[in-house]
Amino acid sequence: AQKITQTQPGMFVQEKEAVTLDCTYDTSDQSYGLFWYKQPSSGEMIFLIYQGSYDEQNATEGRYSLNFQKARKSANLVISASQLGDSAMYFCAMRETSGGYNKLIFGAGTRLAVHP
Amino acid sequence: DVKVTQSSRYLVKRTGEKVFLECVQDMDHENMFWYRQDPGLGLRLIYFSYDVKMKEKGDIPEGYSVSREKKERFSLILESASTNQTSMYLCASSTIQTNEKLFFGSGTQLSVL
Repeated sequence: AQKITQTQPGMFVQEKEAVTLDCTYDTSDQSYGLFWYKQPSSGEMIFLIYQGSYDEQNATEGRYSLNFQKARKSANLVISASQLGDSAMYFCAMRETSGGYNKLIFGAGTRLAVHP
Repeated sequence: DVKVTQSSRYLVKRTGEKVFLECVQDMDHENMFWYRQDPGLGLRLIYFSYDVKMKEKGDIPEGYSVSREKKERFSLILESASTNQTSMYLCASSTIQTNEKLFFGSGTQLSVL
């Protein structure tokens, strides 16, 4: 079963507007972490933002914020004031514990295109 | 800054060949991972290691093995490459001190002909 679901294969947004990328997750753990990564066309994976399951405030990093709704098991990424350089693949990931080890599992990704 | 280095950016191999993908990290991280990335499937975990000489299977270990003889180096081995192993392979490392945030290498695009 999918543990990380990103329902939007592709999104587009006008430059300078805000955009929300959806992510829902499934876990029975009480302690977990949620991550967002950006992958530009060059291929490198860039860490954007992290939210711990016990964090009461939504995480923010510059123009990125994570809309964390624990009861709904959602961790949507909000990018404010989109820039052309934001065009990339975006992956949501969750840290889960299995067999005593922590590992990150990823969603299928959302391709974002920012239009001028 | 953490640096994770993968030995090759592009690799072309023939079916049946034994393939080694090498990964080195320079930040003394305990944890190292190998993922493969395919369109529409995201990143899938192949193997990971939390210590020297230690390895654990991820979600898709079939057809792969790994080696971790030194803390900084984690190798992925395709014993007999097949065309369905054509993919982008990403190595990553992490430490518990940073909530296990992954630091990635630049990836190896492997084509098996």
